[in-house]
Amino acid sequence: EIMLTQSPATLSLSPGERATLSCRASQDVSSYLAWYQQKPGQAPRLLIYDASYRATGIPARFSGSGSGTDFTLTISSLEPEDVAVYYCQQRTTWPPFTFGPGTKVAIK
Amino acid sequence: QVQLQESGPGLVKPSQTLSLTCTVSGGSITSDSLYWSWIRQPAGKGLEWLGRVKTSGSTNYNPSLTSRVTISLDTSKNQFSLKLNSVTAADTAVYYCARDPGVYDPNAFDIWGQGTTVTVSS
Repeated sequence: EIMLTQSPATLSLSPGERATLSCRASQDVSSYLAWYQQKPGQAPRLLIYDASYRATGIPARFSGSGSGTDFTLTISSLEPEDVAVYYCQQRTTWPPFTFGPGTKVAIK
Repeated sequence: QVQLQESGPGLVKPSQTLSLTCTVSGGSITSDSLYWSWIRQPAGKGLEWLGRVKTSGSTNYNPSLTSRVTISLDTSKNQFSLKLNSVTAADTAVYYCARDPGVYDPNAFDIWGQGTTVTVSS
């Protein structure tokens, strides 16, 4: 089973600041990594798939990069509505599909 | 557009079977070799993939749950279901159903239901 670790656990920034979230895989997942946003009380929403492709309707301030074992989700200019927990998920080796533990993004 | 909606009992007794249904609307559950997954999330914790069923009826399960989980399709009702037997308090969670386009883009869980809370308690 591929394990995913995310850092930091919590990120607190001011509106307009750049948020950089990290996801590291325990083995090579190529580019088969997705990012999800989960706001309180809501289901997760797909943001990024295949490491760098934005899902339909996702604002351009969200971008993904990386391959192999190290991946980054960047929010270029943080908006108040971006307060959420962000999860990464690998799709290379399954079953099972696995998720990271999440990074909580808060507004200062 | 395609929407998913979970339904089922919110309370299950220990050792019994948890049964949930996901109803797909706005599209056919059998179209385009899609996969349909169940994912759960204990309160305040992360996401755990339980398993999936393909439009052909073939299944994949999380090895940690294989002995207890069954996922199946009901094409006549455009639904798929989850059965988890011998439940304990550790199975208390919000259960989500989700669509997985498989080999098609996006290569991820692109549509999710709103989730349903299941509590295991006597």
